[in-house]
Amino acid sequence: DTGVSQDPRHKITKRGQNVTFRCDPISEHNRLYWYRQTLGQGPEFLTYFQNEAQLEKSRLLSDRFSAERPKGSFSTLEIQRTEQGDSAMYLCASSPRRGNQETQYFGPGTRLLVL
Amino acid sequence: TQLLEQSPQFLSIQEGENLTVYCNSSSVFSSLQWYRQEPGEGPVLLVTVVTGGEVKKLKRLTFQFGDARKDSSLHITAAQTGDTGLYLCAGAQGSGNTGKLIFGQGTTLQVKP
Repeated sequence: DTGVSQDPRHKITKRGQNVTFRCDPISEHNRLYWYRQTLGQGPEFLTYFQNEAQLEKSRLLSDRFSAERPKGSFSTLEIQRTEQGDSAMYLCASSPRRGNQETQYFGPGTRLLVL
Repeated sequence: TQLLEQSPQFLSIQEGENLTVYCNSSSVFSSLQWYRQEPGEGPVLLVTVVTGGEVKKLKRLTFQFGDARKDSSLHITAAQTGDTGLYLCAGAQGSGNTGKLIFGQGTTLQVKP
């Protein structure tokens, strides 16, 4: 079991550019989550997939953000026309879902800096 | 809006001291998780508590879930410098929902030698 992986670990981009992040969950985990964390705060929920279906999106996810999980395995998060306010750590987590216990395992994150 | 309030926000102690971090909410959670996060890394799961009144121990760390499943505490005995980090509590909304986590703002712990 290799854990959740994310790529890239760091991304520096100029305002207005598009960026894409990838998340590979723990194998056989059917639930995948994206969170965003800014300095000094806890992570905030962005969106959630069960298998390939995107079942919930936060109001934080503006129309410049899009996430996919085409085959129910890895997921991508794209930000179009990046703004300085998008600078944050983007975290991915996966969960196998067992009964009422929603234990999530996080990846190392992708730190985005928009100049 | 469900909120989780953590206290204290910052804690600086000497090695060997004991400490308690609190996580409180007005909402009921089906489970609550504690994570530790190092700078530039993702949160690492410490424990999940599910049953009201539950107490779990992980070496020098003791976790308690309130009877009403609205609050939790983390107690560290004889803190070590390796305990330094950001401690996050996170509540899950329960079965039938997405299971998305609501996080507290975190407690930054510094253990000095």
